[in-house]
Amino acid sequence: IQLTQSPSTLSASIGDRVTITCRASQTVSTWLAWYQQKPGQAPKVLIYKASNLADGVPSRFTGRGSGTEFTLTISSLQPDDFATYYCQQYNSYSSFGQGTKVEIK
Amino acid sequence: EVQLVESGGALVQPGGSLTLSCEASGFTFSSFAMNWVRQAPGKGLEWVSYISATGRAVYYADSVQGRFTISRDNAKNSLSLQMNSLRAEETAIYYCARDATVGVITHLDYWGQGTLVAVSS
Repeated sequence: IQLTQSPSTLSASIGDRVTITCRASQTVSTWLAWYQQKPGQAPKVLIYKASNLADGVPSRFTGRGSGTEFTLTISSLQPDDFATYYCQQYNSYSSFGQGTKVEIK
Repeated sequence: EVQLVESGGALVQPGGSLTLSCEASGFTFSSFAMNWVRQAPGKGLEWVSYISATGRAVYYADSVQGRFTISRDNAKNSLSLQMNSLRAEETAIYYCARDATVGVITHLDYWGQGTLVAVSS
């Protein structure tokens, strides 16, 4: 299953509401997770099963969707949120999207 | 505290072989499925392989099927990835990562810091 994220790069300011989209080439039901990765670090899970917030993740992160279209929304961008975000499906084995880099505007 | 520590990364020639290891601690290793995920320099994440908690079920990405072998030793809390016929484009950081939920393929809740494999002549 191929996952396509958009946009590839997103420029935003502190306090902005930002949304990243992940589209699957076939349905993955709600078997989708979102990860955040900062330079030189391993990825960290934010959202699992499409909309469940992982332990310790701030509530400004929200995941939605089912089937083939999913979104990750950050309600008010904070300095710590500038990073690269990946979606992952685990409906059929596993695969990742190509990533979305969130940059400072 | 859950810890995953990879080792074994090295410089290897194209066509060569290498075995990576991941030592786990801080949880009941034999209860959780494990994965290998890689990331080429400046690129995105690529899932490589999965092994169930018992080791009976293993899955591979198409790109490595037939060349890589995942295995585990639950008595030693250890995960391995044997890589043969390595290609230059497989230069990457290789991460081991734990499946979050017992019994099914799921999201990855703990990751190691990775080990670098460089394939070059």
